Amino acid sequence: DTEVTQTPKHLVMGMTNKKSLKCEQHMGHRAMYWYKQKAKKPPELMFVYSYEKLSINESVPSRFSPECPNSSLLNLHLHALQPEDSALYLCASSQFVSHYEQYFGPGTRLTVT
Amino acid sequence: AQTVTQSQPEMSVQEAETVTLSCTYDTSESDYYLFWYKQPPSRQMILVIRQEAYKQQNATENRFSVNFQKAAKSFSLKISDSQLGDAAMYFCAYRSTTGANSKLTFGKGITLSVRP
Repeated sequence: DTEVTQTPKHLVMGMTNKKSLKCEQHMGHRAMYWYKQKAKKPPELMFVYSYEKLSINESVPSRFSPECPNSSLLNLHLHALQPEDSALYLCASSQFVSHYEQYFGPGTRLTVT
Repeated sequence: AQTVTQSQPEMSVQEAETVTLSCTYDTSESDYYLFWYKQPPSRQMILVIRQEAYKQQNATENRFSVNFQKAAKSFSLKISDSQLGDAAMYFCAYRSTTGANSKLTFGKGITLSVRP
């Protein structure tokens, strides 16, 4: 099973709402990633978790709060977002942080109104 | 810092023909990985092919092959016998082999359309 799943597929939220994105993998990978992708642009790395610990935070605003409750699950908690945060949010995993191959999920299309 | 350049924003190819997508990169490292990722309109990013810099032999995966020129820092993707399902955005990416926190550096991407 080489699948990374993400829920929900689409999310519309107001600027005062609190919502969460979920990512799951059952490949035994110990590194998980959040990326933000605008239309027709490459993904931008947001966070990296290694063995359930935050390894990289690419200076992401605090209105994005990642969480890794266990080795299979990665959440991204959203609060007080801005319209410019509307984007496709991709989750990825790899065997280890140093491993070359990342498997991507299908993404959550987020719209902030 | 490493950079990856994809200078062509769009390309088009006739079904069953061959197309080459260009990518150049800049690095001072001697060992690294290079990748081509495909992202169809359905959004899921899929790894197409990877190349280890220490390997002289060009990687091949079925209809996909690369032309890796290490000295020229060039890494092009050739798609043979193009199919309608090849239509997608293609990203070239670089990753260092050193450091536990090495990241993927993506190029801007190229949109490939396939004409029936």
